[in-house]
Amino acid sequence: DAGVTQSPTHLIKTRGQHVTLRCSPISGHKSVSWYQQVLGQGPQFIFQYYEKEERGRGNFPDRFSARQFPNYSSELNVNALLLGDSALYLCASNTAGTEAFFGQGTRLTVV
Amino acid sequence: DAKTTQPPSMDCAEGRAANLPCNHSTISGNEYVYWYRQIHSQGPQYIIHGLKNNETNEMASLIITEDRKSSTLILPHATLRDTAVYYCIVRVQTGTASKLTFGTGTRLQVTL
Repeated sequence: DAGVTQSPTHLIKTRGQHVTLRCSPISGHKSVSWYQQVLGQGPQFIFQYYEKEERGRGNFPDRFSARQFPNYSSELNVNALLLGDSALYLCASNTAGTEAFFGQGTRLTVV
Repeated sequence: DAKTTQPPSMDCAEGRAANLPCNHSTISGNEYVYWYRQIHSQGPQYIIHGLKNNETNEMASLIITEDRKSSTLILPHATLRDTAVYYCIVRVQTGTASKLTFGTGTRLQVTL
């Protein structure tokens, strides 16, 4: 069975640009969550979507947004990129009340 | 979600049991203890979770104290491939909420 898949795996962007990261959950999982992990720290929660509705939001600026599609895949968008947005962006999926399964992440470098 | 405290690093000889402690003294009655690990630059991997009884699966065992204020993850026969950062997380397992609050974890180094 396919796990959580994220694309792209690596990305380099310039300050001020916009980026879109994509996530496909495990088949049958209706919840997708996004996390940011900067070097040396644990992942930090950004968003959770369930059945296309936002169910949770972490302490991130409005430059960060996300959405979930009818097939439960999801996109994370970040506008006006800053150097500090350089991180590993992780997507996780789960069904209600179960453990979350993570993808391998997208490594974003902002230069 | 309750806060957890873990030692920043631990060493373990290959073939020995690795015992990773976690304190969660403010855990609520409906919060579960979850363990994940993250091998360098990969996504976190689910290991095990429990509420109050000890749990065992093919990867590890989870021992939760009777007062639920602390727990220990046990890797019975550690291998080099178990070298990773291990995260202890407590969270409510209800409905559609799935936020995980990660700390800085314990960096386990398994050596020959």
